[in-house]
Amino acid sequence: NAGVMQNPRHLVRRRGQEARLRCSPMKGHSHVYWYRQLPEEGLKFMVYLQKENIIDESGMPKERFSAEFPKEGPSILRIQQVVRGDSAAYFCASSPLSTSAPYEQYFGPGTRLTVT
Amino acid sequence: GESVGLHLPTLSVQEGDNSIINCAYSNSASDYFIWYKQESGKGPQFIIDIRSNMDKRQGQRVTVLLNKTVKHLSLQIAATQPGDSAVYFCAENSGGSNYKLTFGKGTLLTVNP
Repeated sequence: NAGVMQNPRHLVRRRGQEARLRCSPMKGHSHVYWYRQLPEEGLKFMVYLQKENIIDESGMPKERFSAEFPKEGPSILRIQQVVRGDSAAYFCASSPLSTSAPYEQYFGPGTRLTVT
Repeated sequence: GESVGLHLPTLSVQEGDNSIINCAYSNSASDYFIWYKQESGKGPQFIIDIRSNMDKRQGQRVTVLLNKTVKHLSLQIAATQPGDSAVYFCAENSGGSNYKLTFGKGTLLTVNP
């Protein structure tokens, strides 16, 4: 049973370009979470999505960042007009539809974004 | 506000020794705590969790202690092995949320052979 998949693992973008990060949850999981990790920091919650719905985006910057989880296909975290401060590791986690442990989040390997 | 912090940013131990990693939290509404292990280049891996109605929980070679009076959490690793070398994070469910996790900054554990 494959775990949470993220691609690309490493992404380099020039300032002003767009970055698209993909996350495929574990099989059977319909809840997806995105976190950002700056160097030597803990993970920061960004957004929580279910299929075709954004449940909580309180951790997302107001501008340039968006996320989606379509009915078919992976979840996408999109960063428009990237700036150097966007350089970080972005982690996706997923959890099952129904679980007695709602925090039961399984993390992917992350995408390391570098903005030059 | 919400915050989870660690007392020691780095910890170096000898193989076979016991390790203790500490964590402080400030949000008294949080009622669920998790320890994660993150190896270089990988995502966080669940180690053990504890709910606020418990003081102690044991797993395989790991024990988590929760002191709600002083808002303190610790992770004890028995007979530390080189494979335990990683960054360890404590996390809490932010203000009682059933999905949003707040992570501390992490402690780097280095195990010397």
